[in-house]
Amino acid sequence: SAVISQKPSRDICQRGTSLTIQCQVDSQVTMMFWYRQQPGQSLTLIATANQGSEATYESGFVIDKFPISRPNLTFSTLTVSNMSPEDSSIYLCSVRDPGDTEAFFGQGTRLTVV
Amino acid sequence: AQSVTQPDIHITVSEGASLELRCNYSYGATPYLFWYVQSPGQGLQLLLKYFSGDTLVQGIKGFEAEFKRSQSSFNLRKPSVHWSDAAEYFCAVTDSWGKLQFGAGTQVVVTP
Repeated sequence: SAVISQKPSRDICQRGTSLTIQCQVDSQVTMMFWYRQQPGQSLTLIATANQGSEATYESGFVIDKFPISRPNLTFSTLTVSNMSPEDSSIYLCSVRDPGDTEAFFGQGTRLTVV
Repeated sequence: AQSVTQPDIHITVSEGASLELRCNYSYGATPYLFWYVQSPGQGLQLLLKYFSGDTLVQGIKGFEAEFKRSQSSFNLRKPSVHWSDAAEYFCAVTDSWGKLQFGAGTQVVVTP
């Protein structure tokens, strides 16, 4: 199993600013995923981050708003840029390698934009 | 495109009673199916998963789920609910690349 650490666990930010969320995995993984969970909602995939290539974004999410870095096989960051109150959500990092039977999740970052 | 439907947004159940949470999926190939639980302020915990084989899957915390291809369903059950089972439950389907598609979730409230 993979153990995932996310930082920060929570933050309150001013609108117009940016926040970078870190995801550290205790083992090398091929694919990392970033999800958003808006208040009272389900989880929605933002993007897939593969090491050595640009992230692949899902419909409705763009790189300018959610830039992602994946410098190596154990680490990724998600930045929420130019934040507005609508960005208040829980952001979760997840990992799973093709052929594995389970996806692992970090504890999430609870973001509040004021 | 794959999708997951959880018809029940909210379920209230008495402690000790049985629980069944519904999940229907739409997927072109053989799906990989999961049930996750999210307790207040906690991350996601995997309850059980189905990839192939026996269609009745046993999970943690006394939960089980049955895969029914003919009904495109993967319902979660527990014979006797405990107060600690109060949480949000998510059904999810994935493709071989690991992207999870989640249902809307079912909030379970357990009453004394």
